[in-house]
Amino acid sequence: EDKVVQSPLSLVVHEGDTVTLNCSYEVTNFRSLLWYKQEKKAPTFLFMLTSSGIEKKSGRLSSILDKKELFSILNITATQTGDSAIYLCAVYSNYQLIWGAGTKLIIKP
Amino acid sequence: ETGVTQTPRHLVMGMTNKKSLKCEQHLGHNAMYWYKQSAKKPLELMFVYSLEERVENNSVPSRFSPECPNSSHLFLHLHTLQPEDSALYLCASSQETGRGRETQYFGPGTRLLVL
Repeated sequence: EDKVVQSPLSLVVHEGDTVTLNCSYEVTNFRSLLWYKQEKKAPTFLFMLTSSGIEKKSGRLSSILDKKELFSILNITATQTGDSAIYLCAVYSNYQLIWGAGTKLIIKP
Repeated sequence: ETGVTQTPRHLVMGMTNKKSLKCEQHLGHNAMYWYKQSAKKPLELMFVYSLEERVENNSVPSRFSPECPNSSHLFLHLHTLQPEDSALYLCASSQETGRGRETQYFGPGTRLLVL
């Protein structure tokens, strides 16, 4: 059965800290891995990763994929209170998105 | 602004009621999705439509009935729901489906409470 596991489930850090969120997967037919940020309701797209070792970067956020070890990490540097959200990881397997349960990140001022 | 709108944003209904959720996308996409999001659980895919034809139905109970009259609109008709159906229902759209590399864009969701 396809599955995506995110860790930790929740994380509380102080503003300015750097955080690393993890996403591991076991799927039948990997096509791509996506990261989303969910603040209140609508998940918003962050990154799509398809190749190992190529870092995707957007401001203070970056992500990388390891297709050999079957995981991805999402890094956030110099965190701000606006980074508080649930971060969702999803993997396309056989053209269907398989979702992790998310990591709830809380940034304290 | 994600380009995907959903109404209503909140809904409270009894188990004998019939209601409908509406989703509209303004992105010119050809594929639309319904997801269920329960607390601390992964998103569950319910239905997928591509060019107004249903291409995926993940063993969803018949008390949920989707309708896609055109590529911009998607409905979820609800009847005789159970309290365990209370959740956030998210609609999403993508340019196409079936390649495994489509970015899905989400609406704000409908928070449903079944009493």
